This record gives sequence, C-alpha cells and structure tokens, in this order.
Amino acid sequence: TQLLEQSPQFLSIQEGENLTVYCNSSSVFSSLQWYRQEPGEGPVLLVTVVTGGEVKKLKRLTFQFGDARKDSSLHITAAQPGDTGLYLCAASYGGSQGNLIFGKGTKLSVKP
Amino acid sequence: SQTIHQWPATLVQPVGSPLSLECTVEGTSNPNLYWYRQAAGRGLQLLFYSVGIGQISSEVPQNLSASRPQDRQFILSSKKLLLSDSGFYLCAWSPPWGPHGYTFGSGTRLTVV
Repeated sequence: TQLLEQSPQFLSIQEGENLTVYCNSSSVFSSLQWYRQEPGEGPVLLVTVVTGGEVKKLKRLTFQFGDARKDSSLHITAAQPGDTGLYLCAASYGGSQGNLIFGKGTKLSVKP
Repeated sequence: SQTIHQWPATLVQPVGSPLSLECTVEGTSNPNLYWYRQAAGRGLQLLFYSVGIGQISSEVPQNLSASRPQDRQFILSSKKLLLSDSGFYLCAWSPPWGPHGYTFGSGTRLTVV
C-alpha cells in the first residue's frame, strides 16, 4: 500500500514570510500533483509533474520533485493571506492514469 | 470548456434514510469519474471510480454504492445512512488518458443526524 506523508500538518506564518511544505512517498510514483483547497470547496489543481528532478514555478510558488520520484516540495515566497488554505499532494502509482493517492495535507494560515 | 456540477451543496439527513448525490460533467467525453470523501478538512479517501458507463470500482467496502447511468453522470447512493457516513463528499473527473490532474466539484457537506 502506497503512502503519502505531508509535513508539516499545520503552518501559521506572517504575511511576507517564506515557507516550504513537503510530500514524501513510500514508493516511486509515476506522476505527482499539488492541489490547494479552500474551506467548503473542492481542491484546485496547481501543478502536475512526471519527470524526476523537475522544477516548476507558478508565480510565487515553486514546486520541486525529487530525482528518485519519491518526494516533492512546495515553496512559497513572500506569502500572502490569499495563500491560506489546505495544500494537498497526490501521487499516481500505476500506468498512465492510475488512481490518485492523496496525502492528508498541510493547513496553511497566513496572517496579515 | 469543461465544467463539473455537484449537488446538493449541503444535506442533513436522519439515520436510516436513503441518499442520492449527483455529479455531472460537461464539455468532455468518456471521462474517468471519481467519488471521494474528506474528513475534517484533511486528506481525501477514494470511494468509487468509473472508467465508463456501468463500470464501477469500489475502493472501500461500506454502506455506499455508486452508479454511472450515462457517460457524464455519476451518482453516489445509500439505502440507509449511518452516522459515520457524515462528511464532505467530492466528485471529480479526469481525461481517460494520463497523466492529468483531477477537476473537482464544489462538494456536498452531508450531516447524518
């Protein structure tokens, strides 16, 4: 059984600070995704990656994927209150579209 | 563009009552469809997925069932709700080829009383 562990579980920071959250897998994944979810809403896809060692940037968000395809990190520069939410990583372990396994998420709170 | 609709947004049901949650997708054909449950704002648990009409796979044995009567319609049901069925239910779709991210509906908050 594949497991995805995210850390930290909770993070509370002040506006303008930088932060990094992590996602670690017990097995090699074929693809990995990051989502952001606001209370009472469904998760929204931020990025998908399939290549080990890949780095993707989305404005102030930088996604890094381990060479061994077993870990990933999300770095936010100069966090803003609008970044507040639950950040979920999800990995696929099978074929071209294996079902996604989700981590339990990192709940981020950015205070003004 | 593709859209996903899920309803109702909130539901309060007594124990022992039936349940029907509906999800429809527009703007795509032959999507993979999924039902997830999320507890207390945490990780998502896959309940059912479908790769085509009438094709349902269950990930977790429980008091729920799913059906796909049409290509872009996915229904989550129960004959008799339990207190433990309370939670946040999310429908999602993805293209039949991968890897692609999932697009989620806005969710249904179910409270069984």
